[in-house]
Amino acid sequence: SQKIEQNSEALNIQEGKTATLTCNYTNYSPAYLQWYRQDPGRGPVFLLLIRENEKEKRKERLKVTFDTTLKQSLFHITASQPADSATYLCALPFSGGYNKLIFGAGTRLAVHP
Amino acid sequence: GAVVSQHPSWVICKSGTSVKIECRSLDFQATTMFWYRQFPKQSLMLMATSNEGSKATYEQGVEKDKFLINHASLTLSTLTVTSAHPEDSSFYICSARQGVGHNSPLHFGNGTRLTVT
Repeated sequence: SQKIEQNSEALNIQEGKTATLTCNYTNYSPAYLQWYRQDPGRGPVFLLLIRENEKEKRKERLKVTFDTTLKQSLFHITASQPADSATYLCALPFSGGYNKLIFGAGTRLAVHP
Repeated sequence: GAVVSQHPSWVICKSGTSVKIECRSLDFQATTMFWYRQFPKQSLMLMATSNEGSKATYEQGVEKDKFLINHASLTLSTLTVTSAHPEDSSFYICSARQGVGHNSPLHFGNGTRLTVT
């Protein structure tokens, strides 16, 4: 069955540095991948979508890459700020039904001043 | 735009009672809504797909008689946890798509923290 892996350990970085989060998936070739941000006790908020034929997508300080050969997506936040501290989730469509999304467990990012 | 409102944000109930959670799309119509469950430090687990005007589709391992879903209108889906037990304590989150494309982003409510004592 399809599986999504995100680094379960928290990522601690200094303000101003670039944060890089990893999403790996197996047993599947998704047509797209999405990234969400989740704050404690809140629902996730959509950030970016990248399609299988796109290598890279940018939005302000965010950048996402999608390597279908490695079955991996990287999520970068440049010039990170303490307000970027949150859990970041990657999501893929279900292999059996594109209407549904399956989520990774997320990586918690802590940006220190 | 694309606001999803979920109510209540938290609820404490006694074992054996039922709890209803509402999910509303405030500024768009949603023919399909999704109900997720999340345990601490774990991923969102899809429980069911709620379809307006028809029966919900449940994921494997989710008891449909325990988690009753009703999607009576294009803006409202409800999840009722029947005969709740302490193991049902969790964070329940609903979501909906504003666009028709299957790759349109999901818009989530802010979740309901259910504690069963």
